[in-house]
Amino acid sequence: GENVEQHPSTLSVQEGDSAVIKCTYSDSASNYFPWYKQELGKRPQLIIDIRSNVGEKKDQRIAVTLNKTAKHFSLHITETQPEDSAVYFCAASGQNTGFQKLVFGTGTRLLVSP
Amino acid sequence: EADIYQTPRYLVIGTGKKITLECSQTMGHDKMYWYQQDPGMELHLIHYSYGVNSTEKGDLSSESTVSRIRTEHFPLTLESARPSHTSQYLCASSERSGLTYEQYFGPGTRLTVT
Repeated sequence: GENVEQHPSTLSVQEGDSAVIKCTYSDSASNYFPWYKQELGKRPQLIIDIRSNVGEKKDQRIAVTLNKTAKHFSLHITETQPEDSAVYFCAASGQNTGFQKLVFGTGTRLLVSP
Repeated sequence: EADIYQTPRYLVIGTGKKITLECSQTMGHDKMYWYQQDPGMELHLIHYSYGVNSTEKGDLSSESTVSRIRTEHFPLTLESARPSHTSQYLCASSERSGLTYEQYFGPGTRLTVT
């Protein structure tokens, strides 16, 4: 089955800096890669996703890149703000599970200091 | 408003009690999921359902059971609660929308077994 590894587990940056979170996956059949943000005490929410036929996707200050050959994908946050502080989870899914299930990474706690 | 609801939000119960965590969604989604998550930590899939009368065990072994008699309702039952069951339980639902398979999460039930 699919296995997703996520690094780093914690990340501290100064406001205005960039933050990068990296994930690797094991199943080459996976082709859908979402990122979820979970603020303290709240539910996880989708912030961006990418499919394997696309190498990069941007949405304002966040972007995701995918290297299908190396089986890794990354979340990039530019011009970080204190409200970006949260736990971020990457995930993978694919036709092998009929897109029924997401396999999540272990999470990255991002702290943005003013 | 279309959403996913969980009750109770908080529950403190003694060892050996039977409990049912309720999850309902008004989005008309076929797929529903239960995750176990210690606050801010990894999301562990414990059960999922493709639709009515369909249930599957997830990646994390769990002593709980689920049922799916109605599309909108996916309750989780613990026959005999133990302190090791203390955790947060998140319900989610999903449906394909274009190229996205977003999972929508409920607010969670925080369970404490004494």
